[in-house]
Amino acid sequence: GAVVSQHPSRVICKSGTSVKIECRSLDFQATTMFWYRQFPKQSLMLMATSNEGSKATYEQGVEKDKFLINHASLTLSTLTVTSAHPEDSSFYICSARFNYGYTFGSGTRLTVV
Amino acid sequence: KQEVTQIPAALSVPEGENLVLNCSFTDSAIYNLQWFRQDPGKGLTSLLFIQSSQREQTSGRLNASLDKSSGRSTLYIAASQPGDSATYLCAASSGAGSYQLTFGKGTKLSVIP
Repeated sequence: GAVVSQHPSRVICKSGTSVKIECRSLDFQATTMFWYRQFPKQSLMLMATSNEGSKATYEQGVEKDKFLINHASLTLSTLTVTSAHPEDSSFYICSARFNYGYTFGSGTRLTVV
Repeated sequence: KQEVTQIPAALSVPEGENLVLNCSFTDSAIYNLQWFRQDPGKGLTSLLFIQSSQREQTSGRLNASLDKSSGRSTLYIAASQPGDSATYLCAASSGAGSYQLTFGKGTKLSVIP
């Protein structure tokens, strides 16, 4: 139980384009989801907290206009990287809290060329 | 602000050995602590979840302990196997009602056949 499905697993896009990453809770309702970014050999850094039906809360230093988060239902949260640049290339992972602990998606490797 | 440190950054052991991974956190008022495993290019797999009221959790060959007063947690792996090779991440959630996790940088474990 408590599975989070994240798609796509890998995406390559051209600089200046936008990319949408989806995160779905398959067997439970996720009121709150979290979006993390991980650079090579670094730990996960929280980008934003996504709450169903309300605006996301962004961590300091994360551009809300660049990283658009939508959590329109209890089972789906999306992260859209707008006007992507090579420095946005990273590993993005979503997470949701359930009864005990947190469950994570499989991650999305974004490469901006 | 919570800070999580993991020592060592990397560890190499022969197959069959027992080993201990260390995690320390600066804010002892944690809500819970969770250990994860991350394989290269993959998402996170939850291993053990310890609530602040607990002192340890066990799952198979894994045992995690929590000492809030000293700000430390350990992950003990018995009879290590090559399949245990991965990066192990420790994450702490601080403050009642706060669902945000603060991650350490991880310990990269290599189990040599």
